[in-house]
Amino acid sequence: KNQVEQSPQSLIILEGKNCTLQCNYTVSPFSNLRWYKQDTGRGPVSLTIMTFSENTKSNGRYTATLDADTKQSSLHITASQLSDSASYICVVSDRGSTLGRLYFGRGTQLTVWP
Amino acid sequence: EADIYQTPRYLVIGTGKKITLECSQTMGHDKMYWYQQDPGMELHLIHYSYGVNSTEKGDLSSESTVSRIRTEHFPLTLESARPSHTSQYLCASSELSSTNTGELFFGEGSRLTVL
Repeated sequence: KNQVEQSPQSLIILEGKNCTLQCNYTVSPFSNLRWYKQDTGRGPVSLTIMTFSENTKSNGRYTATLDADTKQSSLHITASQLSDSASYICVVSDRGSTLGRLYFGRGTQLTVWP
Repeated sequence: EADIYQTPRYLVIGTGKKITLECSQTMGHDKMYWYQQDPGMELHLIHYSYGVNSTEKGDLSSESTVSRIRTEHFPLTLESARPSHTSQYLCASSELSSTNTGELFFGEGSRLTVL
């Protein structure tokens, strides 16, 4: 069964600290993996996309990694800010059809305290 | 900011009422989706559309219906709301092409509470 598992379920850190969120998947075949940020009461917004050949990609203070062999991805947030408080959702797309099917994780709820 | 809009943002209604959640996008995207999201759970696809006059049911069984008469508009209707329909409903759109990497553009959501 294709699945996407995220850990931790929730995380509290102090402003300025770094943190790393994990995503493990069993989706096969694999096309790409996206990290979305969802602020409370808003819709998710894409932060970054990782394709099979990519290992690391940065978007400002966000750095995503992908190990396609172990089927693991991480999202590292550097120098956290209060505005980073949100749910971070890992979404994996397969190659099962031309248009791909999406598999969603349950998200990691990050809270940044001042 | 994505150009996709949902109304209403919040709705509280009584059991048995008919409701329509509106979703419009101005990006010219062919593919549109409705997802249901409950706290701490993953998003579940309930309906999607490849274009005008195309609608398909998603993975999660839903008593709702959708229509796609215009490219930009994808409303969701519940004929008779029940408390089990209480949830957050997210509308999304994406480009439809062989090179599509699958980015979804989401609306801000409609939070439905059925009493």
